[in-house]
Amino acid sequence: QLQLQESGPGLVKPSETLSLTCTVSGGSISSSSYYWGWIRQPPGKGLEWIGSIYYSGSTYYNPSLKSRVTISVDTSKNQFSLKLSSVTAADTAVYYCARHTLVLWFGERYFDLWGRGTLVTVSS
Amino acid sequence: DIVMTQTPLSSPVTLGQPASISCRSSQSLVHSDGNTYLSWLQQRPGQPPRLLIYKISNRFSGVPDRFSGSGAGTDFTLKISRVEAEDVGVYYCMQATQFPPFTFGPGTKVDIK
Repeated sequence: QLQLQESGPGLVKPSETLSLTCTVSGGSISSSSYYWGWIRQPPGKGLEWIGSIYYSGSTYYNPSLKSRVTISVDTSKNQFSLKLSSVTAADTAVYYCARHTLVLWFGERYFDLWGRGTLVTVSS
Repeated sequence: DIVMTQTPLSSPVTLGQPASISCRSSQSLVHSDGNTYLSWLQQRPGQPPRLLIYKISNRFSGVPDRFSGSGAGTDFTLKISRVEAEDVGVYYCMQATQFPPFTFGPGTKVDIK
């Protein structure tokens, strides 16, 4: 059974770079059917999609965060990672990694598998 | 960006009674391929979101049939035919027709009266 697990520091200082990794277990990140994404949720608030990556390295980013976000993939480790630079208190959130389908023409597009999330607090 | 709105934002319901959540998008979610990429997710307290419905009305694997989705264009509805205690949580609609970005509604909190 495929599972996703986020890992990384729970506390980041303002202006520094937030770095998280999502480890995929029970299956291959190199599946041709799926993208791998990051979504965040500030405490008590809603969901915001950050960006997604295909195993080949192709990425999509939320334009509102694009200047600060880098998502990468390491197929040898079955992992993908998120870097968010120049963080502020507004970046404090639970960060989820998730799997989603993305067929550009006549297919499926949904987020079907999520990690449990990891809380990242931005504070000095 | 497509903006998603939901009503109500909070919905106290009686166990065994129906519940309904509306979702509206700022633009039509009909893709040029004819599909409408509107899904619904449930987030129980302390848990990650879970996919319930995709492409307006398709129940995802393992989702009870008391959950149903309907709608077209810019207006969509999630219905729970008979609310059970395990249905307490926040429900989000999400569009994947036009991206980036994928966008979510603000969420509707369902709890028991």
